[in-house]
Formats: sequence, structure tokens, C-alpha cells
Amino acid sequence: GAVVSQHPSWVICKSGTSVKIECRSLDFQATTMFWYRQFPKQSLMLMATSNEGSKATYEQGVEKDKFLINHASLTLSTLTVTSAHPEDSSFYICSASVGGKSSQPQHFGDGTRLSIL
Amino acid sequence: ILNVEQSPQSLHVQEGDSTNFTCSFPSSNFYALHWYRWETAKSPEALFVMTLNGDEKKKGRISATLNTKEGYSYLYIKGSQPEDSATYLCALRVGSSNTGKLIFGQGTTLQVKP
Repeated sequence: GAVVSQHPSWVICKSGTSVKIECRSLDFQATTMFWYRQFPKQSLMLMATSNEGSKATYEQGVEKDKFLINHASLTLSTLTVTSAHPEDSSFYICSASVGGKSSQPQHFGDGTRLSIL
Repeated sequence: ILNVEQSPQSLHVQEGDSTNFTCSFPSSNFYALHWYRWETAKSPEALFVMTLNGDEKKKGRISATLNTKEGYSYLYIKGSQPEDSATYLCALRVGSSNTGKLIFGQGTTLQVKP
């Protein structure tokens, strides 16, 4: 159980394009989902916390207008990279947890490799 | 901001060797410590979540300990197998509610040679 599906796995697109990444919890409801980014040889860094039915909470230094997050249902959160540029090329991954206790692990999607030409 | 350090960065061992990695952190101001195994082309898989000083967890040949007073956690693998090859991530959960976030270390990449 506790499966998170993320699509697409790979995206290659031209500079200026907007890219949408989907994160779905397949067998549980997730009121909160998390979006992380990983640059080469660096750790996973939290970008934002996605809250169902309300605005996302962004980490310091993450541009809200650049990385649009929508969490319209209890099983789906989307991250849209607007007007993507080469510096947005990175690995993006989402996660969610079952229940609200701090002792619960996060369940991750497979991630999305984004390459902007 | 908590800084989570993992060492070594990478490790190569022979099949059958036992090994261990370290996750260190400067403060006990967190709610839980997580260990994940991340195999290439797959999603990170939760291994352990530890919350109390002195916690010890075990899952097959893999075990972990937590020492919040001295600021470290160890992950042990007994009799490493090629299928143990992966990156092992340590993360601190800050925030006790469902909105609590994880602060990750850079990971330890293990390669087990048959």
C-alpha cells in the first residue's frame, strides 16, 4: 500500500515552455504533499508543501510565480514550472504521508527529470 | 536551519561484508529521524522512522540506532548483498503535524560487488 505515482518521468522541452508534473496518491488520501528538487551531487531540497484546498507553502528562495502548485483533490497535486529556463533543469520529486503523525514515513513518487534546452 | 551530514559519501564493499553509515546532526530539535533506501530508477523506500533517543530498529539484515544526545544515527547492513546497492538517505522531520517537512542529508551511495 501507500503508492505515489508521478508523471511524467522525463521531460525535455524548449526554453520558455511551461511544464506540468503530476503527483497522485493511488491508494490513500493525502491532505498534504511535498515537492522536492535535487540538483546534481546535492541533497533533496524541499521546495514547497502542497495543501489540499488551500495555498501551498513555499520554502525561502523558491519563487511562487515560477513554480505553481495546485492541490485540488485529496489524491492529486500538480507542480507547473512556468516559462522554464535551462537553470530550472533538475530532478523533481513529490511525496506524501499517510496520516498526520511525525512517526509516519513519506512515500515518494519516482521523480521527474526535467531538461530545458 | 538544521544541517544533516552523511558519511561516507560513497562506499564499495564485497558481497558478504558488513558495513555501516553515519548520519549526524547538530541539534535534537526535530521530531523524527528517517532512513530511506533509494535504488536507481526507483522511488525512495522508507526503511526506518525513529523518534526517541536510544531507538533501535531492525529490518532483516539492516538495522539502525539513534543517539539524539550526541547527534548521530547509524545504519548497519550485515552481510551485504548486491541487491543492497543503493543510495541511503537520512532525513530529519521537523514539525510534528502532517505539514512537517524533511531535511535530507546528501546520502551514502553503497556499491556491493559480487
